[in-house]
Amino acid sequence: SYDLTQPPSVSVSPGQTASITCSGDNLGGYFANWYQQKPGLSPVLVIYQDKKRPSGIPERFSGSNSGNTATLTISGTQALDEADYYCQAWDSISTDWVFGGGTKLTVL
Amino acid sequence: EVQLVESGGGWVQPGGSLRLSCAASGFTFTSYGLNWVRQAPGKGLEWVSYISDSGSPIYYADSIKGRFTISRDNAKNSLYLQMNSLRVEDTAVYYCARRGAEFYYIDVWGKGTTVTVSS
Repeated sequence: SYDLTQPPSVSVSPGQTASITCSGDNLGGYFANWYQQKPGLSPVLVIYQDKKRPSGIPERFSGSNSGNTATLTISGTQALDEADYYCQAWDSISTDWVFGGGTKLTVL
Repeated sequence: EVQLVESGGGWVQPGGSLRLSCAASGFTFTSYGLNWVRQAPGKGLEWVSYISDSGSPIYYADSIKGRFTISRDNAKNSLYLQMNSLRVEDTAVYYCARRGAEFYYIDVWGKGTTVTVSS
C-alpha cells in the first residue's frame, strides 16, 4: 500500500512562514491535496491538485509538489491557522485514497 | 448551500451491524463521486470507501473490505454505508465526503456521525 508521512508537529511564530511537508514514494507523480481541521470540526480543503486554492481560502496558503515531497506553505501565519493539517493523494494502482498521519500546527 | 448530513451512528456491540446514511442537498447529486472517511478518537483521517457518480466503480480500504458495503440511491440523493461484523477498532466519527469535480480530492465534508463499538 502507498504511504504518506508527515511530521507530527510544526511550530511557527505569528507572521512567519510555516512549511508542512508530506513525503511519499514518487509523490510528485501524484496530485497532493491538503486539508485543515480545527478541533471538533470537519476537515476543510485548503489546497488541491498540488497548488490550487479553493474559493474562500486565503492567498497565504500555497502548495508545491516535486520528487518525493509535497509542501503546504502558510505565509504570514495567523493564530487562526492553528489546526491539524492532512495531506492526501489518490493511488491509481491500488485505487486507495491515502491520507498522511497529520501535522499539528502550533502558532506561538 | 451544498450540504451533506450523516445519520445512523450509535453504539453497537462487537460483531454487530449498523447502516449509516448521508443526505445530500444543494448540488447535482448524480454528477459527483462520494466517500466515507472516518476518524478514530484522537487519531487522523482514514479513508473507508468510495463510490463513483454512477455507482461503479467502488473502492474499499483493506481494513474494512468484506465487512462494509457502500451504496447510493440517486433518486433519493443519498449515500449509505452498511457496516457488518463491527470491531472495537471501527469506533470513529464517520464523515460523508464529496469528491471534487476535477480529480480525487474532497471538496465538501459532512459534520460526521459517531459510531461506538464496545461491549
